[in-house]
Order: sequence, then C-alpha cells, then structure tokens
Amino acid sequence: GESVGLHLPTLSVQEGDNSIINCAYSNSASDYFIWYKQESGKGPQFIIDIRSNMDKRQGQRVTVLLNKTVKHLSLQIAATQPGDSAVYFCAETRGAGGGNKLTFGTGTQLKVEL
Amino acid sequence: GAVVSQHPSRVICKSGTSVKIECRSLDFQATTMFWYRQFPKQSLMLMATSNEGSKATYEQGVEKDKFLINHASLTLSTLTVTSAHPEDSSFYICSARSYSEHYGYTFGSGTRLTVV
Repeated sequence: GESVGLHLPTLSVQEGDNSIINCAYSNSASDYFIWYKQESGKGPQFIIDIRSNMDKRQGQRVTVLLNKTVKHLSLQIAATQPGDSAVYFCAETRGAGGGNKLTFGTGTQLKVEL
Repeated sequence: GAVVSQHPSRVICKSGTSVKIECRSLDFQATTMFWYRQFPKQSLMLMATSNEGSKATYEQGVEKDKFLINHASLTLSTLTVTSAHPEDSSFYICSARSYSEHYGYTFGSGTRLTVV
C-alpha cells in the first residue's frame, strides 16, 4: 500500500538461518507484486515477482508467498548470507502488461549477524 | 538485461539554483519512466510518471513547476529541480519499464541531492 513515511522496521537473523520478510498491501485491485532489495546509496534491485493468479513462486534461495485473502505478501530467504543485508521493499501494481506505476511498501531492514 | 543509467550520482548545489538529473535506458526503449524521491530510512515515493512525447503526470502534492520532467526521447528522461531549497535534499531515483523476462521496472542507481 502507500508508504506512510514510517521508519524502517529491522529484522536481525543469524548467518545461515532463514529470513522471512512480510508485507501488507492495501489495494485489492493489485495483481502484480515485486520484491526489491536496496543497498545503501543504490537503486532498488529486482529479486522476484508474482502475479495474483499464483500463491507461491520460487527463485534461487528466495520464495515469495501471496495471500490475496488477507492481502499479505512474504519473502523467504533461505540460508541468509551477509550479502543479503539490505532494505527489502515489496511493491504492487495493477496490470502486469502495462506501464502502470508501482506503489512501494514501507520496507524492512535485514541485518545478518555473523 | 535491461540497464538504466542515472546521472549524476551525487550533486551538491546552492539554495536557489537548479539541478538536472538524467535517466537513460541503455539497451531498450522506454515509453514510460518514473521518478521517485526517497528520504533517509523511508520508502520510495512516486513523484511523477513520464511518458515520451507528452506531459508528465504528477502525484498529488508534487509541484510540477518545481520538479520539471522532460521525456523527449524513448531513452532519456530528465528531472530538473528548480530553485532548490535544503528541504529538497533527498535521494532521487528513476525507473524505466522494460519488457524483459521479468516484466522489469528497472531502476537507476539514484542521485543524492544536497542543497546547501
């Protein structure tokens, strides 16, 4: 949903553990969702996406789960590594085939402890 | 893969001056580009949607006369911050729509603007 300018929540995990980052969206008309990773001072980097006709999608070490009933999205990172430390944003839009604008969630700071 | 180049990466300007930020799609044509602003520890806030050959569409609360957007070609969009003030200091990021294998909204590397 719309970012409300809140400070970023933080998730701290031990290296090697699995991470789960959650996101709630507000627009029930959204049908395309993307997870981004943003390192300090850089632009967002695509991680994985999912369309609303799917509940789950897997990539390399990452899995996205979509629950349309409660408008919830999660990103699971397996065997979290120090290089995974960053801010993670979910983004939503309506119409994967068009040039529609993305709306970003508030983001989560992931810190990987050695 | 799709690449978006954004320049400059950092700029410091004096209050009252104007600053231009460029966003180029390097290996694809982007009919639509987006401009975001991000304050520290916050999310990306969409400022405007830039369509090639037409006027940009600004989000509510964004001053179109202060943030001038030009999208004169399929590979270049520019954002000009006019009469900059310290409160305009922020991280500005552009994005271009690329029809790659992941329906990418490819982002530039961002521009850190500091107004002194």
